[in-house]
Amino acid sequence: EVQLLESGGGLVQPGGSLRLSCAASGFTFSSYAMSWVRQTPGKGLEWVSTISTSGGSTYYADSVKGRFTISRDNSKNTLYLQMNSLRAEDTAVYYCAKELGMWYFDLWGRGTLVTVSS
Amino acid sequence: DIQMTQSPSSLSASVGDRVTITCRASQSISSYLNWYQQKPGKAPKLLIYAASSLQRGVPSRFSGSGSGTEFTLTISSLQPEDFATYYCQQSYSSPLTFGGGAKVDIK
Repeated sequence: EVQLLESGGGLVQPGGSLRLSCAASGFTFSSYAMSWVRQTPGKGLEWVSTISTSGGSTYYADSVKGRFTISRDNSKNTLYLQMNSLRAEDTAVYYCAKELGMWYFDLWGRGTLVTVSS
Repeated sequence: DIQMTQSPSSLSASVGDRVTITCRASQSISSYLNWYQQKPGKAPKLLIYAASSLQRGVPSRFSGSGSGTEFTLTISSLQPEDFATYYCQQSYSSPLTFGGGAKVDIK
């Protein structure tokens, strides 16, 4: 079955860190760029970061640049998002998503909730 | 950043109705516009890409049109499973941006 499964979300204090993982199955993971997109009730859907097939190119939203790092391990079919210096405004459901073409997404995971609160 | 504005933000419709949702970009994005459907508690689902291309497996009652700054998503005959929130997304330039959503509920 073609699917993405996120993990690693949870409750963290402001200034803390979390590492999200996204396990891919059912398709050739190394052939597709991958992204993280987050969703909050107040701000809707927000693109966070994208990584190229090899991992050699990465892109970030200004709101997370310098704090978040996207990476991938093609041997493990897994995408990661290292989140440091977390802020209350980072509270959201984080989805990993597979790119079908240039910068749009045909497969999404179920999402993992990150809550930043003291 | 390119701002995406959807209208209406919500609408009530009946099964069988024709429904149209508009998405406007703050600058020209050619045909780099995509539409997603999201149901409560679920991830978004790609419906239309490149403004008018129907994603595989999506019913033909969904269609997209437009270019430049104005785009529309049309559902030709609303079905019970179509009650959801619809989002547009531009893929013209980084940062990728989404519209605020259009919620379609039952009249």
